[in-house]
Amino acid sequence: DAKTTQPPSMDCAEGRAANLPCNHSTISGNEYVYWYRQIHSQGPQYIIHGLKNNETNEMASLIITEDRKSSTLILPHATLRDTAVYYCIVLMGNAGNMLTFGGGTRLMVKP
Amino acid sequence: DAGVIQSPRHEVTEMGQEVTLRCKPISGHNSLFWYRQTMMRGLELLIYFNNNVPIDDSGMPEDRFSAKMPNASFSTLKIQPSEPRDSAVYFCASSFSGPSHNEQFFGPGTRLTVL
Repeated sequence: DAKTTQPPSMDCAEGRAANLPCNHSTISGNEYVYWYRQIHSQGPQYIIHGLKNNETNEMASLIITEDRKSSTLILPHATLRDTAVYYCIVLMGNAGNMLTFGGGTRLMVKP
Repeated sequence: DAGVIQSPRHEVTEMGQEVTLRCKPISGHNSLFWYRQTMMRGLELLIYFNNNVPIDDSGMPEDRFSAKMPNASFSTLKIQPSEPRDSAVYFCASSFSGPSHNEQFFGPGTRLTVL
């Protein structure tokens, strides 16, 4: 059962902000939004997560709408090394951190 | 910290042979996960351990697959007998599952090819 919907692919110019959308219209009150990415031939890498407030760390910002039905991951200054598949995952608070990966968004950062 | 360590990084075997994949989680982590990734099915969770005890193995495809975690610093995923459709990249991940959320740290994966 697909809990999130993401565009299959996006392009972004190097140095510009990359805004990756995710729809999670059936999210419940105790489900978090997590973002991971997978660079080619590597294991997935955690980026950021949030419940209802916007979050920022050294890698990215996460903007969650007030109704929590969608979110946007923002890479403020995309570099070529940010080319990867980005996964948006919703996760119950007590699910033991079990991740269910969907298709993700393949982000191509171009020079 | 060396991160999650997996071995071997690449394995090529013939159909019918036994395959054993190994994982050393990050020290101090109490949860360990095995995932499989293929082009057709994407990333799938196979099994999840907490404090060395298997909690959810509903993703294990069939009885040919088994996983063990004899102690907090080592886990194995065994396939016996292997089949060509088992060819995939197998990832191990670990995390500290406490009251607050913590991210999973993934290993580099083992690329398995069954001929």
